[in-house]
Amino acid sequence: DIVMTQFPDSLAVSLGERATINCKSSQSVLHSSINNNYLAWYQQKPGQPPKLLIYWASTRQSGVPDRFSGSGSGTDFTLTISSLQAEDVADYYCLQYYSIYPTFGQGTKVEIK
Amino acid sequence: EVQLVESGGGLVKPGGSLRLSCAASGFTFSSYSMNWVRQAPGKGLEWVSSISSSSSYIYYADSVKGRFTISRDNAKNSLYLQMNSLRVDDTAVYYCARNKRGDYWGQGTLVTVSS
Repeated sequence: DIVMTQFPDSLAVSLGERATINCKSSQSVLHSSINNNYLAWYQQKPGQPPKLLIYWASTRQSGVPDRFSGSGSGTDFTLTISSLQAEDVADYYCLQYYSIYPTFGQGTKVEIK
Repeated sequence: EVQLVESGGGLVKPGGSLRLSCAASGFTFSSYSMNWVRQAPGKGLEWVSSISSSSSYIYYADSVKGRFTISRDNAKNSLYLQMNSLRVDDTAVYYCARNKRGDYWGQGTLVTVSS
């Protein structure tokens, strides 16, 4: 199985500041023939289901604010919230869907400092 | 509007069975692979099982292989998860999610396995 490791486990950021979450896969999730990374990012607020933010590592899902961006390739990926808003307080998860056995990172809790 | 609505959760004793359902609407269900993902209380997300659009390809996490069975009825726009030999550590909210990258999720249904 592909192991996904997120870091940090939690972070506290001031309103309007940048938040950066990292995700590392134990093997590449880049499908070289189509040049796509099979990596997604989700936001989950308490009592709600996960919400897809980013797929193909850097493509924003429709309706997601542009302060959310994804980057990286191969085994190392980053989710950036450029200017943290109060409504961004949540848990964030990465997911690799390269394998027929998808795996999630353990999650990162984002709070307001 | 895409909607996924899970049902069938509840309290069951260890060793018991439950069948979860996921009713889909707002899209052509038969064109999409579907997944079950679970989340134990206070824990992270765990993929459970996937089924391709025509049921040709089915996959399970090792933790449920041999105990859970995923199926779908494209005529009824419905996804199912038959869960047998339930264990305490199967306690979780179970979500259905559309396609490999999980672009839409249901609200989830809680399964509690306890004596």
